[in-house]
Amino acid sequence: KAGVTQTPRYLIKTRGQQVTLSCSPISGHRSVSWYQQTPGQGLQFLFEYFSETQRNKGNFPGRFSGRQFSNSRSEMNVSTLELGDSAFYLCASSFPAGSGNTEAFFGQGTRLTVV
Amino acid sequence: AQKVTQAQTEISVVEKEDVTLDCVYETRDTTYYLFWYKQPPSGELVFLIRRNSFDEQNEISGRYSWNFQKSTSSFNFTITASQVVDSAVYFCALSWGDDKIIFGKGTRLHILP
Repeated sequence: KAGVTQTPRYLIKTRGQQVTLSCSPISGHRSVSWYQQTPGQGLQFLFEYFSETQRNKGNFPGRFSGRQFSNSRSEMNVSTLELGDSAFYLCASSFPAGSGNTEAFFGQGTRLTVV
Repeated sequence: AQKVTQAQTEISVVEKEDVTLDCVYETRDTTYYLFWYKQPPSGELVFLIRRNSFDEQNEISGRYSWNFQKSTSSFNFTITASQVVDSAVYFCALSWGDDKIIFGKGTRLHILP
């Protein structure tokens, strides 16, 4: 059974650009959550999608958005990139509900560098 | 407001020593879940344990054990006879309500050969 797949693994973008990260959950998992990890703030919850609907949202500006497709794959988009958006972005999938009370399986992350 | 505190930023122990990672949480909810995750150098978080607020039984899994005490709002994690492969960052997390979740800052554990 394939694990959670995140693409790309590494990304370098310029300030002001926008970026899209992808997450393919484990087959059968309907919930996908996104997290941002930085040395200063640690691991912070961005948002969670379940059955193509955003169920929970963390405290991030509107530049951070996401969506989930009918096959449960999810994308996260960050517009107008800032230097502070440089971080390790992780996604997690779980079944059947959100990652809050069930075991979540994490992908290997995407390292985003904004220059 | 909910909060998870992992006061130990970094710990180093010599292989085969026992080590305890502390986790203190705050929540007003009566129903909540506590987790421990391991983040090895490869980056992905690996689930270790989930405990709900109504289950204060301690748990042992091989060299790992967890002590949940509601009276002190703590959910500590002990590794017995540590091994170099245990070197990683360990996160404690709290979930409540409609699957909301917050993580502690993590404890970086170094097991020295």
